[in-house]
Amino acid sequence: KAGVTQTPRYLIKTRGQQVTLSCSPISGHRSVSWYQQTPGQGLQFLFEYFSETQRNKGNFPGRFSGRQFSNSRSEMNVSTLELGDSALYLCASSGTGAGNTIYFGEGSWLTVV
Amino acid sequence: EDKVVQSPLSLVVHEGDTVTLNCSYEVTNFRSLLWYKQEKKAPTFLFMLTSSGIEKKSGRLSSILDKKELFSILNITATQTGDSAIYLCAVDGGTSYGKLTFGQGTILTVHP
Repeated sequence: KAGVTQTPRYLIKTRGQQVTLSCSPISGHRSVSWYQQTPGQGLQFLFEYFSETQRNKGNFPGRFSGRQFSNSRSEMNVSTLELGDSALYLCASSGTGAGNTIYFGEGSWLTVV
Repeated sequence: EDKVVQSPLSLVVHEGDTVTLNCSYEVTNFRSLLWYKQEKKAPTFLFMLTSSGIEKKSGRLSSILDKKELFSILNITATQTGDSAIYLCAVDGGTSYGKLTFGQGTILTVHP
């Protein structure tokens, strides 16, 4: 069974640009969540999607957005990039029901210069 | 707001030592506590704990949860250099699936 797949794995962008990251969850998983990981702040929750609906959102500015497609694949977008957006962006998927483990993808390393 | 605190923040030991990592939490609606190991890649799932007093074991790793005192410990016995990693504790506060609140992590370094 394939794990959570994220693309691209590494990217470099310039301040002011925008970026789109993609995530394919484990087959059968309908919940996809996104996290930002930085050395200073650790792992912070961005948002969570289930059946194409955003159910939960963390404390990030509106420049961070996401969506989920009918096949459960998800994308997140960051517009008007800032240097502080440089981070590892992790996607995680889980099944529904109590006791479901959350599995992480390899992450997308974003560097903003 | 949900909060997770891990200690120590970093730990240096020699192969063969036993280590105990701590995780305390405050959440409004506890569902589960999870431990992950992170090397230079994605966090790898170790344990999920939902009930107090029931130890979970996997090889040299074990973990237990105390829901009354709101903490968990992760034990690693006979440490090896391959155990060097960041160990992350996270709590599912039950607000929705997929949202975990993470601690700062414990950086474990195991020297030969």
